[in-house]
Amino acid sequence: DADVTQTPRNRITKTGKRIMLECSQTKGHDRMYWYRQDPGLGLRLIYYSFDVKDINKGEISDGYSVSRQAQAKFSLSLESAIPNQTALYFCATSPTVPSGGYTFGSGTRLTVV
Amino acid sequence: AQSVTQPDIHITVSEGASLELRCNYSYGATPYLFWYVQSPGQGLQLLLKYFSGDTLVQGIKGFEAEFKRSQSSFNLRKPSVHWSDAAEYFCAVGAANNNDMRFGAGTRLTVKP
Repeated sequence: DADVTQTPRNRITKTGKRIMLECSQTKGHDRMYWYRQDPGLGLRLIYYSFDVKDINKGEISDGYSVSRQAQAKFSLSLESAIPNQTALYFCATSPTVPSGGYTFGSGTRLTVV
Repeated sequence: AQSVTQPDIHITVSEGASLELRCNYSYGATPYLFWYVQSPGQGLQLLLKYFSGDTLVQGIKGFEAEFKRSQSSFNLRKPSVHWSDAAEYFCAVGAANNNDMRFGAGTRLTVKP
């Protein structure tokens, strides 16, 4: 099994629909992150969580919300999807020490039509 | 906040040739620096990292990178490129508390036979 599992892998949804992307990790790390990737822009941080009771906004949190259900689970929701949220979404986890680097999931490709 | 610039959007090299991918960062303190590789349809995989000590760091798959504080650079190198190295490469800079990893826009590497 992968260290970080994201579901679904691909999703097409309509404008205005609510959608949830799920992420689970088996690394045992406390820290989890959601990023979106757009061509030419690299990865941008949406939300991050340092433990179950800690949720923080990243650079581009508008239009998104998150839930940290357990140490291993961190879900991202789009309450009312819009076309410019079409992107590749990545979940990641890291150890507490900053030198540890991130472990990424394989991504969810979301298309909003 | 820290930032990363990858000046080259796309690089093409011949198989067996040497490779250097450029990365420049901006950060007031000693940075934590990373290189990740993303193969098509995959998440990001950590190639190598620097946070202290020897400024020349070795990574997986035969890659190395050199931290040059005077130039604010962390360029990735490989002496002989293989066709399987074709991918997108991301440089990233982290802060001491690891809650704000900033990624460059990425460099896409094409390998010619």
